[in-house]
Amino acid sequence: QAGLTQPPSVSKDLRQTATLTCTGSSNNVGNEGAAWLQQHQGHPPKLLSHRDNNRPSGISERFSASRSGNTASLTITGLQPEDEADYYCSAWDSSFSAWLFGGGTKLTVL
Amino acid sequence: QVQLVQSGAEVKKPGASVKLSCKASGYTFPNYFMHWVRQAPGQGLEWMAVINPSGGPIYAQKFQGRVTVTTNTSASTLYMELNSLRSEDTAVYYCAREVGAPDCWGQGTLVIVSS
Repeated sequence: QAGLTQPPSVSKDLRQTATLTCTGSSNNVGNEGAAWLQQHQGHPPKLLSHRDNNRPSGISERFSASRSGNTASLTITGLQPEDEADYYCSAWDSSFSAWLFGGGTKLTVL
Repeated sequence: QVQLVQSGAEVKKPGASVKLSCKASGYTFPNYFMHWVRQAPGQGLEWMAVINPSGGPIYAQKFQGRVTVTTNTSASTLYMELNSLRSEDTAVYYCAREVGAPDCWGQGTLVIVSS
């Protein structure tokens, strides 16, 4: 089944802004919105936002999500060393009745 | 606080089965959907199943017929049994609670399938 497409890697300088993208379809991102998760090596994922830009308690305002059509974006402002991690988008697909994950984007903070 | 504690690591031979557990605490277990997600070494996240503790499970097509997800509501525990294991099933298996999306994750259980 089709999944969600993310760029494999993004590199940005410290204190700059990074925007990560996730492209799906009208059956998933375009319909239900996307969730974003952060995963550091050796740790479980952590939810950053869901249904486009609902942030769980405790998540920094430096992380903001948005959507345009079938593409979701995660913007991280004021990049910090601890932001270096893998980022996954995720969405429910109403056509496949399945939860989809993107392949993940490895963010490097230079 | 909300916590999901998973069972310990497993080593299995090809063709065997494995049953993992995930004990929830800090919230009302029956009120939330629960997911199983796995991650092979060096790979991304792969969704396996979701269950409404008071209803039935939905399985990813890839695992249909090979996976069974159940709950013990009185024990606030989620289970996942995977049959006919092969080397490609070597992965860390996570349980996660859903609040709009998988929001709270267990620590993960490493399953190694090797002869």
